[in-house]
Amino acid sequence: GQSLEQPSEVTAVEGAIVQINCTYQTSGFYGLSWYQQHDGGAPTFLSYNALDGLEETGRFSSFLSRSDSYGYLLLQELQMKDSASYFCALNQAGTALIFGKGTTLSVSS
Amino acid sequence: GAGVSQSPSNKVTEKGKDVELRCDPISGHTALYWYRQSLGQGLEFLIYFQGNSAPDKSGLPSDRFSAERTGGSVSTLTIQRTQQEDSAVYLCASSSDRRNYGYTFGSGTRLTVV
Repeated sequence: GQSLEQPSEVTAVEGAIVQINCTYQTSGFYGLSWYQQHDGGAPTFLSYNALDGLEETGRFSSFLSRSDSYGYLLLQELQMKDSASYFCALNQAGTALIFGKGTTLSVSS
Repeated sequence: GAGVSQSPSNKVTEKGKDVELRCDPISGHTALYWYRQSLGQGLEFLIYFQGNSAPDKSGLPSDRFSAERTGGSVSTLTIQRTQQEDSAVYLCASSSDRRNYGYTFGSGTRLTVV
């Protein structure tokens, strides 16, 4: 089967950099996705890594290492509005995304 | 439409009653997904529709749950004989064929079984 592990909570201060790690177990997959969900809101797509390496989208970057079964989401110049839950998810052939349990990020001033 | 629309946004029902939840995906999106999210938890996959293919029902927790997608567009998730453990937010998402575009989620239906 497939499984993903993420830390349940991360805290940081405004302006800092935070890394949310995701380790996974799967027999094969297309790539790793990241989603953001604010309290009471819908999950929104942040990034997708099909290949090993770093993908950068503004203040957010995502990394994938297939050999280590590991990825991370890097958030820079943290803002209060970044307080949310972040989910990694496996993209697999012929089926829906499998999500991790999510990491709650709390940003304080 | 511009986004994924779900209705109702909130539903309170009595234990044992049947409920129907509706999802209207983004026009042109071939794939439609249902997930369930309990308070403070992750997203639990329920069912997946892709074009005219048979749906992937592997995530449905019991035979009380069913879903259909009519005309490749609107989908209805039906829960029969609701139980208190069915209380959760039911999220629908749709996507195009391009997997790197990600899913677009609706705002969900918050179901409370009393």
